[in-house]
Amino acid sequence: AQSVTQPDIHITVSEGASLELRCNYSYGATPYLFWYVQSPGQGLQLLLKYFSGDTLVQGIKGFEAEFKRSQSSFNLRKPSVHWSDAAEYFCAAILTGGGNKLTFGTGTQLKVEL
Amino acid sequence: GAVVSQHPSWVICKSGTSVKIECRSLDFQATTMFWYRQFPKQSLMLMATSNEGSKATYEQGVEKDKFLINHASLTLSTLTVTSAHPEDSSFYICTSAGSTDTQYFGPGTRLTVL
Repeated sequence: AQSVTQPDIHITVSEGASLELRCNYSYGATPYLFWYVQSPGQGLQLLLKYFSGDTLVQGIKGFEAEFKRSQSSFNLRKPSVHWSDAAEYFCAAILTGGGNKLTFGTGTQLKVEL
Repeated sequence: GAVVSQHPSWVICKSGTSVKIECRSLDFQATTMFWYRQFPKQSLMLMATSNEGSKATYEQGVEKDKFLINHASLTLSTLTVTSAHPEDSSFYICTSAGSTDTQYFGPGTRLTVL
């Protein structure tokens, strides 16, 4: 079955430290991949997406993600975390040609220590 | 990115009443909209796909007679929770799908059924 896995439920980092949030997918073919961020009580904001081409994708707020086909991964990174980055992060995927149905990972709650 | 609005943002109702949630795509025409629900501290689960001018497609386990979806125009989809019960309390989020397989999220509607 198609699935998206985020192994880390919670992550705590110090402000200024680097960040990597893990995401793995299980699809027969390479899906379209997304990272979203959700602040408490809010909707989701798209950070970045990968459809094809360059496997290193730049997004908003200084985030980037790297698609690695061999590892079926699409990990999100940021070189230096800010306190305002504390939020819930969701990795999601759409199977190409799959009618735009997004499958979400379970989310990673990021806490930033000052 | 595109702008999607939801109304109301927060609603409290009595058990047994019906609640209508509106989702509007403000700056582009969306032939397809999606409805998700999110329980506290959990991921988003797709409820149904709303297609303009046709019946919605519901995901397995979602009661179509309880969650009525109407997509009467290219900019408006409504979700009506009929005979709401406390277990229907959740965060309901709609998205509008553009032509590039990117979904734009509404801010969500918090439903609390007493």
